Amino acid sequence: AQTVTQSQPEMSVQEAETVTLSCTYDTSESDYYLFWYKQPPSRQMILVIRQEAYKQQNATENRFSVNFQKAAKSFSLKISDSQLGDAAMYFCAYRSTRTSGTYKYIFGTGTRLKVLA
Amino acid sequence: EAGVTQSPTHLIKTRGQQATLRCSPISGHTSVYWYQQALGLGLQFLLWYDEGEERNRGNFPPRFSGRQFPNYSSELNVNALELEDSALYLCASSWVGWSNQPQHFGDGTRLSIL
Repeated sequence: AQTVTQSQPEMSVQEAETVTLSCTYDTSESDYYLFWYKQPPSRQMILVIRQEAYKQQNATENRFSVNFQKAAKSFSLKISDSQLGDAAMYFCAYRSTRTSGTYKYIFGTGTRLKVLA
Repeated sequence: EAGVTQSPTHLIKTRGQQATLRCSPISGHTSVYWYQQALGLGLQFLLWYDEGEERNRGNFPPRFSGRQFPNYSSELNVNALELEDSALYLCASSWVGWSNQPQHFGDGTRLSIL
């Protein structure tokens, strides 16, 4: 069964600095999707960035980028120029592809990011 | 475009009672997912409905059940409530046609069991 592990329950970063949140996963599937979601204190979860496993190029979205290492089953999120609004709970998620037929969507336990002014 | 809406925002029940939580997906989304978010446990997958049918189920007892209506809205029912059912219940919707589509989440229902 697939698992997603976020080993850092809490991280802190100084405003304007860079922080990396780690995520590892375990799967026997060759094709899948990975996501990072952000849950601010207001509770609504929103998508930060996504990565297709078949793509070697790391996804980027403005200040957010990932370091996807398929062989190591690692999917870390890098936040550059951290802002106070980045403070939130960050969840890493794994999704099986349609071809696998299972449509599993598995979340990690989350990393709480604090941004220090 | 209206997002995923959940009701009620808060729900207080006592042990043994039954709770019903509701979710309306984003227009055009056919899939609805339910998650339980208890303190320190991240998101635990509960149920997935698509096109009116239950497609997948997490490791929860049968007293957690639900359904999806023809308009794709969904209900989560929890019977014989226990103290450990206290949690934030999140609903998400997506279009299942493409697996890289993210889930869009509602604000959740905070269920408190006294």
